[in-house]
Amino acid sequence: NAGVTQTPKFQVLKTGQSMTLQCAQDMNHEYMSWYRQDPGMGLRLIHYSVGAGITDQGEVPNGYNVSRSTTEDFPLRLLSAAPSQTSVYFCASSYSGTRMAETQYFGPGTRLLVL
Amino acid sequence: AQSVTQLGSHVSVSEGALVLLRCNYSSSVPPYLFWYVQYPNQGLQLLLKYTSAATLVKGINGFEAEFKKSETSFHLTKPSAHMSDAAEYFCAVSDKERGGYNKLIFGAGTRLAVHP
Repeated sequence: NAGVTQTPKFQVLKTGQSMTLQCAQDMNHEYMSWYRQDPGMGLRLIHYSVGAGITDQGEVPNGYNVSRSTTEDFPLRLLSAAPSQTSVYFCASSYSGTRMAETQYFGPGTRLLVL
Repeated sequence: AQSVTQLGSHVSVSEGALVLLRCNYSSSVPPYLFWYVQYPNQGLQLLLKYTSAATLVKGINGFEAEFKKSETSFHLTKPSAHMSDAAEYFCAVSDKERGGYNKLIFGAGTRLAVHP
């Protein structure tokens, strides 16, 4: 198992550009989510999905869009990049989205710099 | 709402010394608590989790944490630090989004440095 994979590892964007951060998992997990990591703030939930075709907003969803057409993939789209979106983005997955003791598995992250 | 506070953004220890990373939580329900480790330029890896089965939880790489309800704490310890333990450590509590699905509430993180 590759686990949770993310591409690209690093990206530089100009303000106003759009891009898609890719996330895939091969563990047949129903629940996938995106977090952003900012210094001194830990990780914060952006969007999540509980299955193909089902997504919802997390704590900081503004400026981001998601879709989930397959169980394996959960891409995150930046519609019009802003410097405030400079961050490290982590994708996570777990088997269940409702059992609170469930372990979430994280990808290696995408480091995004918006100029 | 649930929250997590990690005391000390940076902790420095000598190799072989005790590691103590502090985590306090706020929760209105019995919490499910996690410690994750992030090595440089890598993703987060689960160290251990508390699910109410036992108050002393043993994890990977010799780490353990003790759940103390009276102190609302879940501190992470390791008896003897290794150079390879240098990383950032995150404490997290499981919470529910408004739709009833899980999310993790993370502390700000503690960066551990280990000196020879």
